[in-house]
Amino acid sequence: NAGVTQTPKFRILKIGQSMTLQCTQDMNHNYMYWYRQDPGMGLKLIYYSVGAGITDKGEVPNGYNVSRSTTEDFPLRLELAAPSQTSVYFCASINPQGEAFFGQGTRLTVV
Amino acid sequence: GNSVTQMEGPVTLSEEAFLTINCTYTATGYPSLFWYVQYPGEGLQLLLKATKADDKGSNKGFEATYRKETTSFHLEKGSVQVSDSAVYFCALSDHEAAGNKLTFGGGTRVLVKP
Repeated sequence: NAGVTQTPKFRILKIGQSMTLQCTQDMNHNYMYWYRQDPGMGLKLIYYSVGAGITDKGEVPNGYNVSRSTTEDFPLRLELAAPSQTSVYFCASINPQGEAFFGQGTRLTVV
Repeated sequence: GNSVTQMEGPVTLSEEAFLTINCTYTATGYPSLFWYVQYPGEGLQLLLKATKADDKGSNKGFEATYRKETTSFHLEKGSVQVSDSAVYFCALSDHEAAGNKLTFGGGTRVLVKP
């Protein structure tokens, strides 16, 4: 049972570089989400998707982009990385009962 | 909008002590309520849930009751273990909102000492 898989687990970026955080789920959930968790803080919603081809902004979308070409995959793109994007990023999918399944997270440092 | 407020940590306890983490919420409609747990270096895992008023969710010795009259969903455990050291998040799911989004509280770190 893979659940939600995120890659990479760790990454160091230089200011201005770009990268894509990968997220895939094998539970056929329509709803998928990207959160960031800053040190000692709760989770903030970046983007979410209610199904293939449909995405929408969350609380903190600036500096990020997403796409949802398939039900399984929901990659998060960082363009022009900034130190303020240093965080732990979590991808999650939600079943029809509202229960969330999280990936292991990607720890990103921008230097 | 929806919001979840939970007590700030850290909460430090001795093994076998009683644990309570307070959680209150603001929501329109009738949300489902959840507790998630995050162990060091890991993602969040669902601990328990309740979908309607007066429901009690329970798992691994933890319990929480959905109290609509006080808009609360406090987490309790009668006898904690060192392995319960983690960050606990209260959350609500608004079925009427687009995307069935979860709203999280700020998290409460719990440290259980032997």
